[in-house]
Amino acid sequence: KAGVTQTPRYLIKTRGQQVTLSCSPISGHRSVSWYQQTPGQGLQFLFEYFSETQRNKGNFPGRFSGRQFSNSRSEMNVSTLELGDSALYLCASSLVGMGPTDTQYFGPGTRLTVL
Amino acid sequence: AQSVTQPDIHITVSEGASLELRCNYSYGATPYLFWYVQSPGQGLQLLLKYFSGDTLVQGIKGFEAEFKRSQSSFNLRKPSVHWSDAAEYFCAVGARGNNDMRFGAGTRLTVKP
Repeated sequence: KAGVTQTPRYLIKTRGQQVTLSCSPISGHRSVSWYQQTPGQGLQFLFEYFSETQRNKGNFPGRFSGRQFSNSRSEMNVSTLELGDSALYLCASSLVGMGPTDTQYFGPGTRLTVL
Repeated sequence: AQSVTQPDIHITVSEGASLELRCNYSYGATPYLFWYVQSPGQGLQLLLKYFSGDTLVQGIKGFEAEFKRSQSSFNLRKPSVHWSDAAEYFCAVGARGNNDMRFGAGTRLTVKP
């Protein structure tokens, strides 16, 4: 079974631009979660989608948004990029995402650099 | 809210030596605890997890972890480290009913030949 895939793997943007990242979950998984990883803040939960609905959200500004499609693929969008948005963005998928008993499988991440 | 502390930022061990990575958690209810490993440029791979039951949990790649409620700890161990174990290790605690896991800052493991 193919793992979680994320595209693109690397992105370079400038301040003020917007960016869209994509995540394809493992086949059959319906929950997709997004995390931001930075050297200063570590791994932080952004949000989770299930059945095309945002079910859970971390403490990030409204510039960070996402969506999920009917095939469970998810996109994450960051508008008006700031230097501090430079990070590795990780996507994780799970069967139904009802908490830790449903194991999350992580993708390789998208490395976003904001200049 | 749940939180995790990994006291050691960086650990160096010799190949073949034993390893213990420390993790302390804070959570009001029964914690769900995890250890993940991240190799450079890669995502996170689940090593093992604890939900309930036997407090000694076996994982992949020869790792094990012991849950100690009295010490709020979930330390990761391996009896003999291999050079391929060099990576960053994250302890995480999860809450019932959602995917909002809280991760520790990570411990970077260097393996000396």
